[in-house]
Amino acid sequence: KAGVTQTPRYLIKTRGQQVTLSCSPISGHRSVSWYQQTPGQGLQFLFEYFSETQRNKGNFPGRFSGRQFSNSRSEMNVSTLELGDSALYLCASSLRGMGADTQYFGPGTRLTVL
Amino acid sequence: GQQVMQIPQYQHVQEGEDFTTYCNSSTTLSNIQWYKQRPGGHPVFLIQLVKSGEVKKQKRLTFQFGEAKKNSSLHITATQTTDVGTYFCAGRVGGGATNKLIFGTGTLLAVQP
Repeated sequence: KAGVTQTPRYLIKTRGQQVTLSCSPISGHRSVSWYQQTPGQGLQFLFEYFSETQRNKGNFPGRFSGRQFSNSRSEMNVSTLELGDSALYLCASSLRGMGADTQYFGPGTRLTVL
Repeated sequence: GQQVMQIPQYQHVQEGEDFTTYCNSSTTLSNIQWYKQRPGGHPVFLIQLVKSGEVKKQKRLTFQFGEAKKNSSLHITATQTTDVGTYFCAGRVGGGATNKLIFGTGTLLAVQP
């Protein structure tokens, strides 16, 4: 089975711009979770989508949003980028949902905001 | 809010020494998972513990889940350079569709040959 894929792998943006990241889960997985990883804050949960519905949400501002399509692929959008948004954004897919079983992580998208 | 803390944040050992990381939650967990992230890589699932007091072993790695289901530990016997990386615990809170997975702060392990 192919693993979780994320595109793009690297991205450089400037403050005020917006960005869209994509995540394709393992075939058959209906849950996609997004995380922000920074050296200072560790792995911070953004949100989880399951069967096209947002099921859980972390404590991030409304500039961070996401969606999931009928094929389970998910996108994450960040509007009005700030310097502090520079991070590795990881998505993870699972069969039944976060915490219920193993989460398979993608390689991540490294976002740099200048 | 719900937090999962790990100690130590960083550990440097000589190859062959043992290593332990501890994970403590402010709330009772439904289960706990452990992940390893190699430098430059992404977290990879190691194991899941569900029962109170559960102990599981994977070769040189021993995982424990506390009796109160609020803490856990990972012990590596006779570390090797391949053990280098950050170890995260992740605790499940809540139940059903509203459950969440809260990641610990991670322990970075450096192994000197």
